[in-house]
Amino acid sequence: GAGVSQTPSNKVTEKGKYVELRCDPISGHTALYWYRQSLGQGPEFLIYFQGTGAADDSGLPNDRFFAVRPEGSVSTLKIQRTERGDSAVYLCASSQLAIPSNEQFFGPGTRLTVL
Amino acid sequence: AQTVTQSQPEMSVQEAETVTLSCTYDTSESDYYLFWYKQPPSRQMILVIRQEAYKQQNATENRFSVNFQKAAKSFSLKISDSQLGDAAMYFCASPDSGTYKYIFGTGTRLKVLA
Repeated sequence: GAGVSQTPSNKVTEKGKYVELRCDPISGHTALYWYRQSLGQGPEFLIYFQGTGAADDSGLPNDRFFAVRPEGSVSTLKIQRTERGDSAVYLCASSQLAIPSNEQFFGPGTRLTVL
Repeated sequence: AQTVTQSQPEMSVQEAETVTLSCTYDTSESDYYLFWYKQPPSRQMILVIRQEAYKQQNATENRFSVNFQKAAKSFSLKISDSQLGDAAMYFCASPDSGTYKYIFGTGTRLKVLA
């Protein structure tokens, strides 16, 4: 079956602009995660959804970042008033269940560049 | 908070040879999971191998195996018969304190020399 997909693959924007990054998880996966990967670093957790609700948004860096998953499938990460420090690869992952033993399946990421 | 440390930013191995990538971690949990993920230039993270802490036996997946030393909190990945397609970034990861939130190391870039 299809894996996790993310669009766009690359996004270049100007400082101060608004961007939306989309994630399509594996069909049937109830848990969805967003991570951010800065250059030379491992991914860092941003937010986790169980179904439609954000069960844990403790990793969001500030209130410019927001994510939704209105129908329990596709998720959108929204960043307002982008800053150069937001430049990174944003990874989405999904899993059948949100338990430690479950493998998370990752998408190819969206590379965001803020000029 | 849980930490995961990879002290080798880059490693090289000759094709068909064996290489070991190191990972150490710190946790207060008694049962936990450890993962090795591969990230090729395409950026898509792929699970290589998984180890459950309460299992004494080291996990193996074809050419990939781990050396899990629970007391030392060490979780190294051994790649045997290295292939050109093994060239990638390798990340060690573990869920934070029994949650679903992966904590990743900083990664090791593996180069495979023909």
